Amino acid sequence: DAMVIQNPRYQVTQFGKPVTLSCSQTLNHNVMYWYQQKSSQAPKLLFHYYDKDFNNEADTPDNFQSRRPNTSFCFLDIRSPGLGDAAMYLCATPRTGPAGGYTFGSGTRLTVV
Amino acid sequence: SQELEQSPQSLIVQEGKNLTINCTSSKTLYGLYWYKQKYGEGLIFLMMLQKGGEEKSHEKITAKLDEKKQQSSLHITASQPSHAGIYLCGADMRTGNQFYFGTGTSLTVIP
Repeated sequence: DAMVIQNPRYQVTQFGKPVTLSCSQTLNHNVMYWYQQKSSQAPKLLFHYYDKDFNNEADTPDNFQSRRPNTSFCFLDIRSPGLGDAAMYLCATPRTGPAGGYTFGSGTRLTVV
Repeated sequence: SQELEQSPQSLIVQEGKNLTINCTSSKTLYGLYWYKQKYGEGLIFLMMLQKGGEEKSHEKITAKLDEKKQQSSLHITASQPSHAGIYLCGADMRTGNQFYFGTGTSLTVIP
């Protein structure tokens, strides 16, 4: 079963200071997802990769960028974090096997001060 | 745009009571997933439904898929405080590998 590892678990950044969140997965799956989850809300898809093909959701702000240097790793870059970007950021990849579904990392909780 | 609507938005039940959470899609469902999230924590995969009429159970949680109605229901029998959390349905949107979540249902179980 795929494992999705997110680092760090908690991140504090200053208003306007670029920050990078990282995600790795152990199964070398070709699809990876990034979600933003604000307090008391459902996770919102920001973008996903199919191999190196980057697919941005239409309403994802330009402030959010992503890099996928290889199959295992995917980074979320927030160029100029605002107070409204404070949230839990979740990374996911499809599960293998008959059970299906998606495996999520434990998330990175971003605080902007 | 919100393509997956859950109801109710929040639920408070007495321990031991049964409850049902619904998830309705505005588009054709190719796969419907249920997740649970403890407050402030990551997501726990509960089950996946793919075929119309399919029903799956895990411990005291049962989920069904009504493909024609583009709807799924999650039923918890004899609820316990350990069932408390946020329940999220999610679905494949085959148009481009996207996986979206429903609006979420917050469950509180009072001992």
